[in-house]
Amino acid sequence: DGGITQSPKYLFRKEGQNVTLSCEQNLNHDAMYWYRQDPGQGLRLIYYSQIVNDFQKGDIAEGYSVSREKKESFPLTVTSAQKNPTAFYLCASNDRWKGNQPQHFGDGTRLSIL
Amino acid sequence: DQQVKQNSPSLSVQEGRISILNCDYTNSMFDYFLWYKKYPAEGPTFLISISSIKDKNEDGRFTVFLNKSAKHLSLHIVPSQPGDSAVYFCAASARNNYQLIWGAGTKLIIKP
Repeated sequence: DGGITQSPKYLFRKEGQNVTLSCEQNLNHDAMYWYRQDPGQGLRLIYYSQIVNDFQKGDIAEGYSVSREKKESFPLTVTSAQKNPTAFYLCASNDRWKGNQPQHFGDGTRLSIL
Repeated sequence: DQQVKQNSPSLSVQEGRISILNCDYTNSMFDYFLWYKKYPAEGPTFLISISSIKDKNEDGRFTVFLNKSAKHLSLHIVPSQPGDSAVYFCAASARNNYQLIWGAGTKLIIKP
């Protein structure tokens, strides 16, 4: 049963703390994405990766970092430099080498500040 | 600079009737458009897409219409069912660009 798994579902961050959100996919997709959703807004792209060991900044990358050491995994770290981290974070993947393909999403992680 | 706009934050429709959700875009380089459905605390689920070489695409109860001259697309759901109550997002991408640009969403409420 292929899909995208995000964990944890809920996460709390203390001031000055870095936290890491997990994203794993078993769809054999090359491209993976991290989005942030705030209330009443559309999704905004934080980072994306087209292939292992390569990733690119999206529109709102400041205060975030990623790695792509394995095809299946694309973890997102929310650093203490991100001053407004409270949001719903969504991970997605697709296989862009086949042309236009929809992105498939995990169920998200809700991050809150303690 | 909102390149993809969904001007209706919410829409209420009677069960069994047609739901029409609208989306406008400003970037003439967009050539691929998608609609997603999202329930609270879940990730968006892909519904239907359309390429700019077409003006209509159907999948069961869902039809997407694209009017390139007006830079407008719409999603029609016929007949509307209670399970269709969700937030619907329109998204677009330009040729050779990985990035999807998203609208703010429209909350669809299906009344019994």
